[in-house]
Amino acid sequence: QSVLTQPPSVSAAPGQKVTISCSGSTSNIGNNYVSWYQQLPGTAPKLLIYENNKRPSGIPDRFSGSKSGTSATLGITGLQTGDEADYYCGTWDNSMSAYVFGTGTKVTVL
Amino acid sequence: QVQLQESGPGLVKPSGTLSLTCAVSGGSISSSNWWSWIRQPPGKGLEWIGEIYHSGSTNYNPSLKSRVTISVDKSKNEFSLKLSSVTAADTAVYYCARIVSSGWDNSWFDPWGQGTLVTVSS
Repeated sequence: QSVLTQPPSVSAAPGQKVTISCSGSTSNIGNNYVSWYQQLPGTAPKLLIYENNKRPSGIPDRFSGSKSGTSATLGITGLQTGDEADYYCGTWDNSMSAYVFGTGTKVTVL
Repeated sequence: QVQLQESGPGLVKPSGTLSLTCAVSGGSISSSNWWSWIRQPPGKGLEWIGEIYHSGSTNYNPSLKSRVTISVDKSKNEFSLKLSSVTAADTAVYYCARIVSSGWDNSWFDPWGQGTLVTVSS
């Protein structure tokens, strides 16, 4: 059902940078704000980014978000083993009248 | 800070009704927030089920709308989910979450409950 497309996986060595794309359309990302969630193994998702690029208190500035047109991007710099998790983007879809999540991306630290 | 805790049966028979409750602590369910249910089948992604305001107003995912009822009990500071006519495809971890919004085009989920696994099986 996911209308937001993410790469299944990305990987990099410790200290390196990864970016995760989230591709949508004008009915979702194109006209609404995007949030990002981190889901560590066996735990509930946690808010990572809201309003496209804002970080909640306690989220390090190694995590960043951006949006352009109908796509959004999550960036993680200074990759750490503790960043190994699944990451999901999310936004409201005006056509579906539903909140939609991305397909999810697994980040692996090599 | 606000914390959410799901509770309910972990096993439901096919064709039966799944019933879960989300207890809200550290804050009032009557605050200016909506409250939501989200589910995640084993090994799969997240699916938004629906949301409720303390007034009782609801919005449901069209794909589940015919089977879903979300209600609120302000006296207990909790909200509930009922999903009828369940099948094995409804087996999932069910999360409750608070919706934070700063506009009609801007909302996000924070915090989330720890989640509860519901298995549909005879």
